Amino acid sequence: AQSVTQLGSHVSVSEGALVLLRCNYSSSVPPYLFWYVQYPNQGLQLLLKYTTGATLVKGINGFEAEFKKSETSFHLTKPSAHMSDAAEYFCAVSDSGNTPLVFGKGTRLSVIA
Amino acid sequence: DTAVSQTPKYLVTQMGNDKSIKCEQNLGHDTMYWYKQDSKKFLKIMFSYNNKELIINETVPNRFSPKSPDKAHLNLHINSLELGDSAVYFCASSLGYTDTQYFGPGTRLTVL
Repeated sequence: AQSVTQLGSHVSVSEGALVLLRCNYSSSVPPYLFWYVQYPNQGLQLLLKYTTGATLVKGINGFEAEFKKSETSFHLTKPSAHMSDAAEYFCAVSDSGNTPLVFGKGTRLSVIA
Repeated sequence: DTAVSQTPKYLVTQMGNDKSIKCEQNLGHDTMYWYKQDSKKFLKIMFSYNNKELIINETVPNRFSPKSPDKAHLNLHINSLELGDSAVYFCASSLGYTDTQYFGPGTRLTVL
């Protein structure tokens, strides 16, 4: 069965600094990988996803993530943090069309002015 | 147009009561879900419903039951509410399990 580990329940960065949120997964087959963002008092929305093909995936709001099979990782990055990026971020994995997504425990991103 | 909607947005009730939360999606998706998010933001899948196949998370008490009158709706019924049921409940939908999930705005349930 697949699983997801997000390192760091809380990450704090200065405005304009690099954002790096870590996600490692386990899957017995090529995975489908997702990052979702949850702004305060809202539901989750998709940031980006990897299915097949190019391993560097670009998403909304300047975020991107790279699928590294050898490291079983799918870390999320953004070159320059903005105050509006403050939110909860969830990594998720599915290893087949027969089972639902498995979500990580989430990482809260704080952006300091 | 709202893609995934839930009602009510807030629900405050007493222990022991029975309540329902409604969910509707207008995306034509085949798969719908219910999630529970606790105060630490942990997101736990409770049910997924795909082409009339129900997958239940084995840790969910049988006081919780999903009901799908049609493909666009998946309602959540909760019997004999307990204090520990207080949480935010999210409905979501997708084409299939490997496709993007679209989430509703959530229902904040408070059991007193």
